[in-house]
Order: sequence, then C-alpha cells, then structure tokens
Amino acid sequence: DGGITQSPKYLFRKEGQNVTLSCEQNLNHDAMYWYRQDPGQGLRLIYYSQIVNDFQKGDIAEGYSVSREKKESFPLTVTSAQKNPTAFYLCASSTSGESGYTFGSGTRLTVV
Amino acid sequence: GQSLEQPSEVTAVEGAIVQINCTYQTSGFYGLSWYQQHDGGAPTFLSYNALDGLEETGRFSSFLSRSDSYGYLLLQELQMKDSASYFCAVRNSGYSTLTFGKGTMLLVSP
Repeated sequence: DGGITQSPKYLFRKEGQNVTLSCEQNLNHDAMYWYRQDPGQGLRLIYYSQIVNDFQKGDIAEGYSVSREKKESFPLTVTSAQKNPTAFYLCASSTSGESGYTFGSGTRLTVV
Repeated sequence: GQSLEQPSEVTAVEGAIVQINCTYQTSGFYGLSWYQQHDGGAPTFLSYNALDGLEETGRFSSFLSRSDSYGYLLLQELQMKDSASYFCAVRNSGYSTLTFGKGTMLLVSP
C-alpha cells in the first residue's frame, strides 16, 4: 500500500546533538513538507520541497536543515541551534496542484 | 501573511450536528481545507473548497464564503469516533503550501 513512513516514532536527544528524522513516501508525489506541532499551536511549516534537489524555508526554518536527493525521501535534521526542539514532527506529501496532503504518523522528539 | 481563527474546543452529544467555524486572513487565497487528527495520530484530509458553497462528503460537509473569508465544517450524526481535533487550512498559492489554524478539539459524549 502507498503511504508515508516516518521513523523513528519516538526519539530522545541530548542537548547539543544533531538528530535526523526520516521521511519516505511511495506515492510518487512531487511535493513534500515538514511541519512541527506543539500543544495548542497547530501545525507550523518548517521546510518544503516541490522537486528533487530543491527546497524552500517555511515559517520556522531556523535550527533545521533538509535535503531532497531522491523523490521518495525528505529527511529533516534538527540541529543544536534549534532552541526548543521538543515537539511532534509531521512529514507530508502531495501531488502538485492537488488539494490534499497525505501525512506520515509523525516522530515525537524529546530533548533530555 | 496568513492567519486563521477557529474555536479551541466544541462539545456535543452522539447523534447531534456540530459546526466548526473558521475565519481567515490571507494575502492570496486558493482554497480552504479541513483535516481531522486523532490524539497522537496523523492528520487526515477531509475536504477542500476552492469556490463558494457547500461540499458534502457523507456525514461531513464543508462550506466556503470567499467574500466573508469564512468557512465551516459540519458534522452530522455524530459518533464517539468523531472525537478528535479538526484543523482548517488555507492554500497560499496555486501549487504551494498550507497554513493551518490552531485546531478545534471536538469532544463527543454519549
């Protein structure tokens, strides 16, 4: 079945460490997105990519980095520069022009 | 920029009808979407309105008034499984990103 796979589901990181969240899709979607969700804050856009080898910053890109070397993969790195990294991270994809996003099941990151 | 307002919480009983409102302010508008998210889960797409009027999908309907910058999600014949958070989202341009509201938590009681 087609879908988006995020791994790991739970991740613990020590302060000062970088960590990479995986996002893989087999939907053949062109566009992929990373959102951050905090309690009571809704979803906020971190980065997005509409085509391989190209990506753009979203509203809260500081302290994060991404790559898009393959159509199927859009990993997110949370760097030590991110001041408050503890959050629920959601990856999504869509076909360009389509109205709906397909979301992964998320990665819950906790800084300890 | 874009901003969306929706109530933080709505309560209803099984079998009832509930309406979740969403007002938005945006520099460019290409459509209003609705997503459902159960606690700790992935948001799932419910509906999309690009033009004024009502779109019906089973027990769920969504309405848009572009002149009023307003939309709503209507849930009929409520079931316990409908207890979830509901997010409205505006499409910022023709092939680009969504900006989400902060979500409305719907609590359905027996």
